[in-house]
Amino acid sequence: QKEVEQNSGPLSVPEGAIASLNCTYSDRGSQSFFWYRQYSGKSPELIMFIYSNGDKEDGRFTAQLNKASQYVSLLIRDSQPSDSATYLCAVNNLNTGNQFYFGTGTSLTVIP
Amino acid sequence: DAGVTQSPTHLIKTRGQQVTLRCSPKSGHDTVSWYQQALGQGPQFIFQYYEEEERQRGNFPDRFSGHQFPNYSSELNVNALLLGDSALYLCASSLLLGGLTYEQYFGPGTRLTVT
Repeated sequence: QKEVEQNSGPLSVPEGAIASLNCTYSDRGSQSFFWYRQYSGKSPELIMFIYSNGDKEDGRFTAQLNKASQYVSLLIRDSQPSDSATYLCAVNNLNTGNQFYFGTGTSLTVIP
Repeated sequence: DAGVTQSPTHLIKTRGQQVTLRCSPKSGHDTVSWYQQALGQGPQFIFQYYEEEERQRGNFPDRFSGHQFPNYSSELNVNALLLGDSALYLCASSLLLGGLTYEQYFGPGTRLTVT
């Protein structure tokens, strides 16, 4: 069983729509959850992280965490063509180590 | 405020050779991790350095080794290169926030091609 699972996509949304990206994880003790954006040929860029159940908003981005369901999501409001990228979900459990476990990423295309 | 820097950006090596990649962490960060990212995959954890010691290691062979210097910069060494070592090598620097979570940022990466 993979530590972190994401739908590989591709996910296509029209410009201005809400894009919803999902991630599930297997380690129930995971404490921190991260979303990275990676443009083709570039390195991952940290968008935001969350460690409490509920929603966390940062500009057009909202991370949602449900530890009981072992589920974390990222909503992108008013999607722009510049949001077209691969979105990586990562989790960390400080009790078992310092490494981040990454999913394989979801490819998002925003259609103008 | 300088972010994470890595060198070189691209590298081409032959099977059996050895390679050294370098990383300088973000200002104020004391922890450096190295990841390998194959095409179409998420980053895979190689190891992490803190206070010049390897603190944790992922599932990578001993051909992969590293070092952290007193200024927190780090090197990744790979010996006896295999074709399968071709990947994007990412350095990440991080800071523990209030004992709750790490804030981790990646450098631009080094693209290694083994022929």
